[in-house]
Amino acid sequence: DTEVTQTPKHLVMGMTNKKSLKCEQHMGHRAMYWYKQKAKKPPELMFVYSYEKLSINESVPSRFSPECPNSSLLNLHLHALQPEDSALYLCASSPFPSGRPSYEQYFGPGTRLTVT
Amino acid sequence: GENVEQHPSTLSVQEGDSAVIKCTYSDSASNYFPWYKQELGKRPQLIIDIRSNVGEKKDQRIAVTLNKTAKHFSLHITETQPEDSAVYFCAASVRGGGSNYKLTFGKGTLLTVNP
Repeated sequence: DTEVTQTPKHLVMGMTNKKSLKCEQHMGHRAMYWYKQKAKKPPELMFVYSYEKLSINESVPSRFSPECPNSSLLNLHLHALQPEDSALYLCASSPFPSGRPSYEQYFGPGTRLTVT
Repeated sequence: GENVEQHPSTLSVQEGDSAVIKCTYSDSASNYFPWYKQELGKRPQLIIDIRSNVGEKKDQRIAVTLNKTAKHFSLHITETQPEDSAVYFCAASVRGGGSNYKLTFGKGTLLTVNP
């Protein structure tokens, strides 16, 4: 299995809802990432987990809460989102921990989130 | 902060022509430079990367060159085909706080290959 998978593919939620995005990889990768991508823009880093520990938080609002239950799984818990949070949320993984400077990242297909 | 500039923002070529996309970076400590291709509605896909210990890398019709002195790197696609049409992002590894590293992306180039 050489893929990063994400569920759900699409999600529509209201501003008072609580939902979670899930990401999974079975490649034995040591680092996992959450990115946010708006239309016609590059991916924007949100969080990095290295060896299941949070290593980078790009000053993301607390309405986004990441969780790494084990080395294969990464969740993003969503609560009280705003319409401007609507975007494609991409998960990625890398063979090497975030303390290594040269490493390839592989992206999942993303979850298309719409906040109404 | 660390910055990656990418040009052009759009590029239109005829099938069979070559396409070149250029990026510059500001962090002299950057030593890893990947290129991603993203088709409409799809995930970014790593197509080629280069590390600072080499100046050029080639994979079939795709090549990347790196000039560390000038802090720029370029993607070259030869014999372009309509299926090469996509948005291409360059990136550079930069310090992400403490002893961690992250990728900083360019703003992307929309490549259109006309049949």
